[in-house]
Amino acid sequence: GEDVEQSLFLSVREGDSSVINCTYTDSSSTYLYWYKQEPGAGLQLLTYIFSNMDMKQDQRLTVLLNKKDKHLSLRIADTQTGDSAIYFCAESIDMRFGAGTRLTVKP
Amino acid sequence: NAGVTQTPKFQVLKTGQSMTLQCAQDMNHEYMSWYRQDPGMGLRLIHYSVGAGITDQGEVPNGYNVSRSTTEDFPLRLLSAAPSQTSVYFCASSYPGQGGHEQFFGPGTRLTVL
Repeated sequence: GEDVEQSLFLSVREGDSSVINCTYTDSSSTYLYWYKQEPGAGLQLLTYIFSNMDMKQDQRLTVLLNKKDKHLSLRIADTQTGDSAIYFCAESIDMRFGAGTRLTVKP
Repeated sequence: NAGVTQTPKFQVLKTGQSMTLQCAQDMNHEYMSWYRQDPGMGLRLIHYSVGAGITDQGEVPNGYNVSRSTTEDFPLRLLSAAPSQTSVYFCASSYPGQGGHEQFFGPGTRLTVL
């Protein structure tokens, strides 16, 4: 089947920017999503991007989409300790999720 | 609204036992799904339903059954539990909207099979 791939870990210092990357293989996805999972909780939708867009900004979050390379990224500006969580990218066709990137923010 | 609720939160089973994980939503969502989350593997879709009376298999359906007799409820049954089914199970529901299939997740059920 189609795959969604992410690196598993990212560590940044408080106040720095975080960039979480994702690659996908199904080019027919209409939407691509970023979900956040805090410890012991379910996933919550963080943001999404429609496939005909290449960028979406929402406060501290910037999503970049490169359809040619099938690459999606999530940038978190001014990362805070409260941003520590697992971030999942997902595509809309089969609702296939990546393995999740565990973001650790160090004070 | 309570959103998506799941019971139980934790469960320990012995190999060969059966049980049902409960999932309910009060948002009148047509689409419901079950995922399992395993370390390093993300979420994998077990079964899903696009409406009452309609269910279909996801990526990893073996060993699990579902039914959808009402819009609100979508129980997941383990017929004969195996250690490989030790996992965290999430139920989700959604409706097509501006964000496509934005899914709302329950808090999860942590299942251990001994």
